[in-house]
Amino acid sequence: DTAVSQTPKYLVTQMGNDKSIKCEQNLGHDTMYWYKQDSKKFLKIMFSYNNKELIINETVPNRFSPKSPDKAHLNLHINSLELGDSAVYFCASSQDAGRDEQFFGPGTRLTVL
Amino acid sequence: AQSVSQHNHHVILSEAASLELGCNYSYGGTVNLFWYVQYPGQHLQLLLKYFSGDPLVKGIKGFEAEFIKSKFSFNLRKPSVQWSDTAEYFCAVNASASGGSYIPTFGRGTSLIVHP
Repeated sequence: DTAVSQTPKYLVTQMGNDKSIKCEQNLGHDTMYWYKQDSKKFLKIMFSYNNKELIINETVPNRFSPKSPDKAHLNLHINSLELGDSAVYFCASSQDAGRDEQFFGPGTRLTVL
Repeated sequence: AQSVSQHNHHVILSEAASLELGCNYSYGGTVNLFWYVQYPGQHLQLLLKYFSGDPLVKGIKGFEAEFIKSKFSFNLRKPSVQWSDTAEYFCAVNASASGGSYIPTFGRGTSLIVHP
């Protein structure tokens, strides 16, 4: 009974390719997030959706496009991948418009060659 | 914009030593405070949280944190660490924003290594 799941767990691809990461939560939460964790473990928020509406959109290249087909899913599509996109991407969810704690997925390790 | 500072980036302790990790934030409005832990190769998990009430909060695995409003601080403590506490520790602040939502901000994390 995984609360927040992500696929794939590992993603290795060439520069210039387009890839997607999927996230699903079965907690009934309203709010979902995408974070990027770099090699120094710094965790930076990228996007947040509340009830399928984008509420946080940090300074992220427009090659990154989130999509929330419903409250339980938040996918991340990345176009024209660059070396600097290599990182671990975490999905998370929370209740109460983000007031409460976040539940994190297992992460997707993206390696761009 | 709010920010969260964790002053200790790397901490190395021996088992049974006491631990205190500093966390300061900059935001004058309503905040909810959290400490998360990330064990090697795993995702982040909640250690403890503070919304209101008693400023000394207790979490899992013997951890506690104290909210000092005047110092904008939320330091994490544990009286006696164990080897299994080796992990990354993140302080996080959820600050109220327009529209009733909250925006989370994480500190840069503290890497704790406990030697057996």
